[in-house]
Amino acid sequence: NAGVTQTPKFQVLKTGQSMTLQCAQDMNHEYMSWYRQDPGMGLRLIHYSVGAGITDQGEVPNGYNVSRSTTEDFPLRLLSAAPSQTSVYFCASSPTGSGNEQYFGPGTRLTVT
Amino acid sequence: GENVEQHPSTLSVQEGDSAVIKCTYSDSASNYFPWYKQELGKGPQLIIDIRSNVGEKKDQRIAVTLNKTAKHFSLHITETQPEDSAVYFCAASKQDYKLSFGAGTTVTVRA
Repeated sequence: NAGVTQTPKFQVLKTGQSMTLQCAQDMNHEYMSWYRQDPGMGLRLIHYSVGAGITDQGEVPNGYNVSRSTTEDFPLRLLSAAPSQTSVYFCASSPTGSGNEQYFGPGTRLTVT
Repeated sequence: GENVEQHPSTLSVQEGDSAVIKCTYSDSASNYFPWYKQELGKGPQLIIDIRSNVGEKKDQRIAVTLNKTAKHFSLHITETQPEDSAVYFCAASKQDYKLSFGAGTTVTVRA
């Protein structure tokens, strides 16, 4: 199993540009989520999904869209990038049920200039 | 929403000594408390977790304690080794899917 994969690893955008961060998992996990990590702030939940066709907002959803058309994929879209979205983004997945470990991908480092 | 505070932000210990990281949470309904370790350039990885019906859990050199009354939980690493150097995050959750993380502790083990 490859686990949770994310692409790209690094990305530089100009303000106003759009892009999609890709996330895929091959563990047949129902739950997937996106976090952003900023210095001194830990990880903050952006959006999450409890299954294909179901998404919901986390703590910091503004400026981001998600969709979940398949169990495997959970892309994160930035429609109009802003410097405040400069961060490291992590995707995670977990089986359904209680007390299950969340498996994190390697992250995407995004810089918006 | 849940607020998780983590202390200290940095911790330097001599190899072989113990390291302790403390977290407090605000929502008394939280019932799941995982700890993650993040090495440089990688995603966080679960190292141990505890549920609210358990006061202490141990796995080799790491242990976690939970005080529900005081709403705080701690990570203890004994006999630290250089490979324990990393950033450690505590988290709390009412539902197991939505985790609220602390700000992280950078642990450095001096040889």
